[in-house]
Amino acid sequence: DGGITQSPKYLFRKEGQNVTLSCEQNLNHDAMYWYRQDPGQGLRLIYYSQIVNDFQKGDIAEGYSVSREKKESFPLTVTSAQKNPTAFYLCASSSLDRDYEQYFGPGTRLTVT
Amino acid sequence: AQTVTQSQPEMSVQEAETVTLSCTYDTSESDYYLFWYKQPPSRQMILVIRQEAYKQQNATENRFSVNFQKAAKSFSLKISDSQLGDAAMYFCAYRRSQGAQKLVFGQGTRLTINP
Repeated sequence: DGGITQSPKYLFRKEGQNVTLSCEQNLNHDAMYWYRQDPGQGLRLIYYSQIVNDFQKGDIAEGYSVSREKKESFPLTVTSAQKNPTAFYLCASSSLDRDYEQYFGPGTRLTVT
Repeated sequence: AQTVTQSQPEMSVQEAETVTLSCTYDTSESDYYLFWYKQPPSRQMILVIRQEAYKQQNATENRFSVNFQKAAKSFSLKISDSQLGDAAMYFCAYRRSQGAQKLVFGQGTRLTINP
């Protein structure tokens, strides 16, 4: 089955530690995205990548970093510089074939204490 | 910058009845896409319906339809014959039309279906 996987579903970390969230897709999509969702709010874009080895900051990139070494993978690192990292993180991908319609993964709930 | 506003934090409807969720947006672009996404308790984001701004005809998908008023920058979602499985958060979203652009989301409307 084609789709987007995010692991793990729940992640717990101590304050001051960096943590990397995984996002993998087998849809052969060129573009990938990371969004953050806080309680009672919509999603906000953290980073996105249109091609391998290239990515752009979104609206709330501070305290986050990404890499895009492979087309299928777009990991997000939440660094200790992120002041309020506890949130729900959603990865998405899209393709020119589908007019860049975004498909979402199941998300990772990160809790930092 | 583009913004999307959903003024109804919560809505409820009786099963089998019709409900309309409101959305307004602000943009200076003439060509763009608008979407409604559903987020059930599983938190998976599911695309419900999309509308291209250049199309005058309102999009429909089975029991879901939109009322797109471009001049008023309004994009409402009508759910007919509401079912228990329709209970979810609903998000309105905007995207510029060119290339791999970000989605700009509203704050969401929590829809409850009363049996």
